[in-house]
Amino acid sequence: SQKIEQNSEALNIQEGKTATLTCNYTNYSPAYLQWYRQDPGRGPVFLLLIRENEKEKRKERLKVTFDTTLKQSLFHITASQPADSATYLCALDGSSYKLIFGSGTRLLVRP
Amino acid sequence: DTAVSQTPKYLVTQMGNDKSIKCEQNLGHDTMYWYKQDSKKFLKIMFSYNNKELIINETVPNRFSPKSPDKAHLNLHINSLELGDSAVYFCASSQDWGAGNTIYFGEGSWLTVV
Repeated sequence: SQKIEQNSEALNIQEGKTATLTCNYTNYSPAYLQWYRQDPGRGPVFLLLIRENEKEKRKERLKVTFDTTLKQSLFHITASQPADSATYLCALDGSSYKLIFGSGTRLLVRP
Repeated sequence: DTAVSQTPKYLVTQMGNDKSIKCEQNLGHDTMYWYKQDSKKFLKIMFSYNNKELIINETVPNRFSPKSPDKAHLNLHINSLELGDSAVYFCASSQDWGAGNTIYFGEGSWLTVV
């Protein structure tokens, strides 16, 4: 069956450290993979998109990697700040171009 | 300026009632969506319209009926509400239809059925 798996346990890190979140998928062959941020009581907000032929994408303190062989994407936040605390969702194109979301990983950055 | 706005934000209603959630986007996008986020935080697509035409209709009870009067609006009407319908409903839009489109979400409508 098709699955998108993100760590259900919260990631708790110290301010200034690098946060690394994982997204694994099975039985999908996405051409694109996206990451979104969701704050409590708010809608998800788009952060980054990476194509299947791109290994890495960066935006300010954010970096995403996409390994189609491992069927995995890693999302890194360097020099993390308490304001980065949120839930991060990965999403990929399923059949019929539907964007399918993982359940998200909650990140908590301690000051 | 709000890009995707939906109303109401909170809705508490009794089982068996009929309710509607309205959504509007001012981004000039061609495609709009309804997503449902349950208590386990899974975000699942329900419907998608492209230029007022229904293009995705997931396995959703017939009690849920979307309506798109124009490409800037997509409303969701729910008949005979059930306890299991309690969730957060997100309206969203994207530039157009196809792979690689990024999605802009509204702030959500919290529906509680009692």
